[in-house]
Amino acid sequence: GAVVSQHPSWVICKSGTSVKIECRSLDFQATTMFWYRQFPKQSLMLMATSNEGSKATYEQGVEKDKFLINHASLTLSTLTVTSAHPEDSSFYICSAREWDKTGPGQYFGPGTRLTVT
Amino acid sequence: GENVEQHPSTLSVQEGDSAVIKCTYSDSASNYFPWYKQELGKRPQLIIDIRSNVGEKKDQRIAVTLNKTAKHFSLHITETQPEDSAVYFCAASIPGNKLTFGGGTRVLVKP
Repeated sequence: GAVVSQHPSWVICKSGTSVKIECRSLDFQATTMFWYRQFPKQSLMLMATSNEGSKATYEQGVEKDKFLINHASLTLSTLTVTSAHPEDSSFYICSAREWDKTGPGQYFGPGTRLTVT
Repeated sequence: GENVEQHPSTLSVQEGDSAVIKCTYSDSASNYFPWYKQELGKRPQLIIDIRSNVGEKKDQRIAVTLNKTAKHFSLHITETQPEDSAVYFCAASIPGNKLTFGGGTRVLVKP
């Protein structure tokens, strides 16, 4: 099956610093990847859609200058949280879309738990 | 845009009983309906999905039904086991578009 990896699995950083999270599709090429944020006991909130070779599409209310997304290859998308603050602490999960004979499916990475102190 | 509502938000069942989770969607153009299972601190795992050209799909103890006219779909888990305890999310999307998730159902299977 489709495997998506994410790195790091957890990170602690100080306020004002930047953190980069990587999302990789390991056994398939993903022209589209998605970045989600999840708060405890809540649903997945889509932050942005990342398309290989083009600019990401951000959801309403998500600051594109704060959450920088780059999708430079068919197997890698990165999310950089710039000038992080404690309110950015959350579980960030990426997913990648894979097309099979029945249509597209979406598979998730293991997530990155970010704590900003 | 698409809006997906999921009920119930919590569900407690006795081991061996069945569990049913229901979702409704708003956009009649939606044609892909996956279900994900998420255990605490882990990634959502795709457990079953259905496309709009099919009314029902089954995989061992899990089944999903789709009613396009009423715009709702349901997840059925039979013979529940403790390892079925998790949060389940439904989702819907129109062709080639992003997934819209329901709010999630926390399922607890009591031994």
